[in-house]
Amino acid sequence: TQLLEQSPQFLSIQEGENLTVYCNSSSVFSSLQWYRQEPGEGPVLLVTVVTGGEVKKLKRLTFQFGDARKDSSLHITAAQPGDTGLYLCAGDSGGSNYKLTFGKGTLLTVNP
Amino acid sequence: DTGVSQDPRHKITKRGQNVTFRCDPISEHNRLYWYRQTLGQGPEFLTYFQNEAQLEKSRLLSDRFSAERPKGSFSTLEIQRTEQGDSAMYLCASSLAGFTDTQYFGPGTRLTVL
Repeated sequence: TQLLEQSPQFLSIQEGENLTVYCNSSSVFSSLQWYRQEPGEGPVLLVTVVTGGEVKKLKRLTFQFGDARKDSSLHITAAQPGDTGLYLCAGDSGGSNYKLTFGKGTLLTVNP
Repeated sequence: DTGVSQDPRHKITKRGQNVTFRCDPISEHNRLYWYRQTLGQGPEFLTYFQNEAQLEKSRLLSDRFSAERPKGSFSTLEIQRTEQGDSAMYLCASSLAGFTDTQYFGPGTRLTVL
């Protein structure tokens, strides 16, 4: 069974601070997605990373896929209250099995 | 640009009743997925369709659950004889077969079984 461990589980910071959340597994994934979810809503896709070592930037968010494609990180610079939400990583093991394996998420609160 | 839609958004039912949820994927997407999410957990895979064929079912999908995608477009998920443990957010996602097969999620249906 493939597992994705996310850390920290909870994070509360002040507006303007930087933060990093982590997504780790002992399994290799062909691709990994990061989603943000707000209460009562479905996950919204932020980014897909595919290549080991890949770095993608989305405004103040920087995503990195580990060289071995087993781990990933999300770094947010100068966090804003609008960044508040549940950040989920999800891995696709590839092949004919297209289901995503999700971590439990990191619940981020950015206080004004 | 219309994303994935789900109906209803909320459903409250009594234990033992049957419920049915509908998912309309992004129009050109040929793959459709159902996930279930409980409080404090990430979504868990339930089942997956490619066009109208149901290709995989999780062991989470007991015989009280059935999913269909009759014409390869919208899908329905039915739960018979609901139990309190079925209370969860039911999420639908769709994707277009390709290199990354990125999945886009709908807003979910929140089921509460009393």
